Amino acid sequence: DSGVTQTPKHLITATGQRVTLRCSPRSGDLSVYWYQQSLDQGLQFLIQYYNGEERAKGNILERFSAQQFPDLHSELNLSSLELGDSALYFCASSESSGYTGELFFGEGSRLTVL
Amino acid sequence: DAKTTQPNSMESNEEEPVHLPCNHSTISGTDYIHWYRQLPSQGPEYVIHGLTSNVNNRMASLAIAEDRKSSTLILHRATLRDAAVYYCILRHTGNQFYFGTGTSLTVIP
Repeated sequence: DSGVTQTPKHLITATGQRVTLRCSPRSGDLSVYWYQQSLDQGLQFLIQYYNGEERAKGNILERFSAQQFPDLHSELNLSSLELGDSALYFCASSESSGYTGELFFGEGSRLTVL
Repeated sequence: DAKTTQPNSMESNEEEPVHLPCNHSTISGTDYIHWYRQLPSQGPEYVIHGLTSNVNNRMASLAIAEDRKSSTLILHRATLRDAAVYYCILRHTGNQFYFGTGTSLTVIP
């Protein structure tokens, strides 16, 4: 158990819909990262938050957005969903933004868009 | 972002050592070398990381070439539970972890 909690574990929805994925980082971790993993691609970095502020953006689509709340949990919002958005979405946390140590990953949220 | 190159797949017999190579010829002096692995249906998990010197922990050893342009993750005795995708990542302080496609390790009983 990494200490990172993601909900829901599985989600099935239709094209055009909007979903929210939630992540609770490890206790004490200030930084949260979101990754997308689809079948034909590896882990793609989406976005990072540190203590409520956006710190870095990766390959995140404009239809996607995220935020980190004062209690440090984070939400990834996916809107106008397309079939290609079907993927595993992982959240990870670390102690700080510039920390060169390890990331702790959750078990992921599997999104299926029909 | 500094790039790493790994073989797509490797096989090992159970209880034998496994050497997983990674080339990172464009590494900079402040890039840390990280290894993560992803077991089937799970999120990635940290294995080991280092900067210049070889590193050992309970899971594995990391051997870093003197010029730092390559590294090798060593699993001393492969078990079936070690079957996973292993990612070699370079991380500069403050930068993000960018995962490549990794090496899929198959452990043969």
